This record gives sequence, structure tokens and C-alpha cells, in this order.
Amino acid sequence: GENVEQHPSTLSVQEGDSAVIKCTYSDSASNYFPWYKQELGKRPQLIIDIRSNVGEKKDQRIAVTLNKTAKHFSLHITETQPEDSAVYFCAAKAGSYQLTFGKGTKLSVIP
Amino acid sequence: DGGITQSPKYLFRKEGQNVTLSCEQNLNHDAMYWYRQDPGQGLRLIYYSQIVNDFQKGDIAEGYSVSREKKESFPLTVTSAQKNPTAFYLCASSVPGQGIYGYTFGSGTRLTVV
Repeated sequence: GENVEQHPSTLSVQEGDSAVIKCTYSDSASNYFPWYKQELGKRPQLIIDIRSNVGEKKDQRIAVTLNKTAKHFSLHITETQPEDSAVYFCAAKAGSYQLTFGKGTKLSVIP
Repeated sequence: DGGITQSPKYLFRKEGQNVTLSCEQNLNHDAMYWYRQDPGQGLRLIYYSQIVNDFQKGDIAEGYSVSREKKESFPLTVTSAQKNPTAFYLCASSVPGQGIYGYTFGSGTRLTVV
């Protein structure tokens, strides 16, 4: 089955700096890659996603890049703010119904 | 509440008891899922269902059971065979297809063994 590795597990940045979270996947058939943000005690919320026919997607301060050859994708957050502090999960889907999730990255933005 | 409701929010289980977690959605989604979340472990798939009256085991199904008698409902029973049930349980649903849609999650149930 699919295996998703996510790094780093924790990340601290100063407010206004950029944050980058990286994920790798194992199944070359994977064609959908969402990112979820989970605030403490709350449900994961989809923040951005990318499909395998696209190399990059941007939504305001958030961007995701995909390298199909290397089987890795990354989340980029620019101009970080304290409200960006949360746990972020990457995921991959390989043509079946289930998403396989990474183990999460706890992002702390220091004011 | 985002179209998918989990109840209760907090649940306490005594040793040897079975407990059932509720998950209801009004999004008309065919597929539903149960995940378990432990600190540092991410989200691990327990069971999933693509259509009514059909469900499949995920990666950590031992000690759990589910049913899917209605499209809107996908309850999870944590049985006494689950030796370490204390965790945060998330239910999700999605539109089936070739991976073009993500999940909508419920707000979760925190289960504690007392």
C-alpha cells in the first residue's frame, strides 16, 4: 500500500518568516495530494490540494509543489502569522478511496 | 457542523465494556471512514465504507467493528478486545472517484478508558 513520510515533525519559525513542510510518497499511481490543518482539539481542515497533472498551486500565502519524478510534495507558508500555528498533515491517494496520511508537523509561529 | 456530526464529544469506557461512537453525515457522500489519532502517530485508518452495506478493514481494524446500514450513518464500536482504546477518533466522508476530492471530517470523539 501507499506510505507517506512527512518532515519535520516539529517546526518553529519567527512571525513573518516562511515555513516549509515536506512529504514523500511511495506509490507512483498516487494522483491526489491534499494538505490539512488541525488546530488543537479540532477537526482537520483541508487547506490546499494538488493533483498529479499540476506542478504547483498557490492560494494567497499558501503554496504546494509536486515533483512526480521524485515522488515528493511540499507545503510552503509565507509571511507566517501566529494563527498559522497548528498541526499540518499531508496525504496521498492512489486511485482508491482512502487517503494515506503523514504523521503530521507541529508548526509553532513565534510572535 | 460541516455536514458531518460525531457524538459524543467525550466518552469514558470502563475496562471490558463495548462502546459505540456515532457518525452521521448529510452531505450525500457515498464513502465514509474512521480514523484513530494518537500523539505523534498521525491519522491511522480503522475501517472504511464505499457504499451502503459494504465496509473494509483499514490498517488497525483489530478490536473495532462497524456497520453501514444507511448512507448517512457509519457507527464505530470499540470492543473489549481493543487493548488500548484511549485516543481521538475522527470520522470522515467523501465523494467517491479517482481521488479528485478530499475528505470532510467530523469534530471527533475523545475516548478515555477509566
